[in-house]
Amino acid sequence: DVKVTQSSRYLVKRTGEKVFLECVQDMDHENMFWYRQDPGLGLRLIYFSYDVKMKEKGDIPEGYSVSREKKERFSLILESASTNQTSMYLCAIQGGQETQYFGPGTRLLVL
Amino acid sequence: GDSVTQMEGPVTLSEEAFLTINCTYTATGYPSLFWYVQYPGEGLQLLLKATKADDKGSNKGFEATYRKETTSFHLEKGSVQVSDSAVYFCALALGSGGSYIPTFGRGTSLIVHP
Repeated sequence: DVKVTQSSRYLVKRTGEKVFLECVQDMDHENMFWYRQDPGLGLRLIYFSYDVKMKEKGDIPEGYSVSREKKERFSLILESASTNQTSMYLCAIQGGQETQYFGPGTRLLVL
Repeated sequence: GDSVTQMEGPVTLSEEAFLTINCTYTATGYPSLFWYVQYPGEGLQLLLKATKADDKGSNKGFEATYRKETTSFHLEKGSVQVSDSAVYFCALALGSGGSYIPTFGRGTSLIVHP
């Protein structure tokens, strides 16, 4: 079974803090994704990565950056957290036949 | 651009009722189509998929048929259970340089009462 883990299930941060969300996969998949999920808006793609040190902007990259130094790890960085970044963050990897495998999500609250 | 439209929820049903969640799409090309399910407090997981026209995906009693002529992929189940209560997402994936970036619908919440 494919396993995708996220570093935290719940996080509470203050406005202006730098926030790191980590995602780790146990398979050798190249494609990794970060989404945010908000009520009524579904999933929105923030960034994705095809390979180590490769990254591409998704639909809503503003206020975020990413890092992929090793194939199994894809980090999402909020340089200066704001209240409008309160959300559920989901990491996913792309397996065979375009199927995505998701982590359990990190619910972030920015105060 | 590509898009997925699914019926708004919540859909509220009694146990053993018939379920339909509508999904239509627009895409430039021939996408693969998916239904994902998200149980409370969890990430999404693949429920079923179909990769070409007239294919039927099925899993756990759920079914969906890829209808190219109506650009639809409606999810159905003959008899729902309380444990089916979740949010269901319709999605498409269309290869672009091998990336297969998916497009998701907004999700439909299903609530099943005993």
